[in-house]
Amino acid sequence: DIQMTQSPSTLSASVGDRVTITCRASQSISDWLAWYQQKPGKAPKLLIYRTSSLESGVSSRFSGSGFGTEFTLTISSLQPDDFATYYCQQYENFSTFGQGTKLEI
Amino acid sequence: EVQLLASGGGLVQPGGSRRISCTASGFTFSTYAMSWVRQAPGKGLERVSGITGSGDTTYYADSVKGRFTISRDNSRNALYLQMNSLRAEDTAIYYCAKADCGGDCKVLNYWGQGTLVTVSS
Repeated sequence: DIQMTQSPSTLSASVGDRVTITCRASQSISDWLAWYQQKPGKAPKLLIYRTSSLESGVSSRFSGSGFGTEFTLTISSLQPDDFATYYCQQYENFSTFGQGTKLEI
Repeated sequence: EVQLLASGGGLVQPGGSRRISCTASGFTFSTYAMSWVRQAPGKGLERVSGITGSGDTTYYADSVKGRFTISRDNSRNALYLQMNSLRAEDTAIYYCAKADCGGDCKVLNYWGQGTLVTVSS
């Protein structure tokens, strides 16, 4: 199984900050990586797929990069609505998620 | 508007069975693969099963293989997950989610609200 490890597990930031979340795969997954946002009590929401493609309707403040085993999600100029938990997902083989990164004020 | 409405959750005894359902609307159901993703209380996400749009191919996580069966009825726009030999560690919110294509597709672009399955005596 491909293991996905996110860092940090918790990230404290302020409105207006630029933040980066890292996701590492236990083996190469090419660019088969997606990012989701989840708010408390809600279902996850797709943000980015194929490492860097922005899902329709998602703010351009979100961007993704990487290849192989190391990937990043960057949020430029944090807004109050961005405080949530973020998950990466590999879909090169079946599918596994990272453990999540909680972005808090 | 895409809508996914999961139902059928509840309290089940260890070793018991439960079937959960998901009713879809707002898109051509048979065209898209679907998945079940679960989330244990306070924990992360785990994709447990997927099925192609036609229903001819299914996929399972090792943790549920042999115990869970995914199926779909495209005439009813419905997705199902039959769960047998349930264990305490199967306790979770089960989300149904629509994939972005019809084959072995795992990018999940719409999610339902989830249904809670609790396995406890």
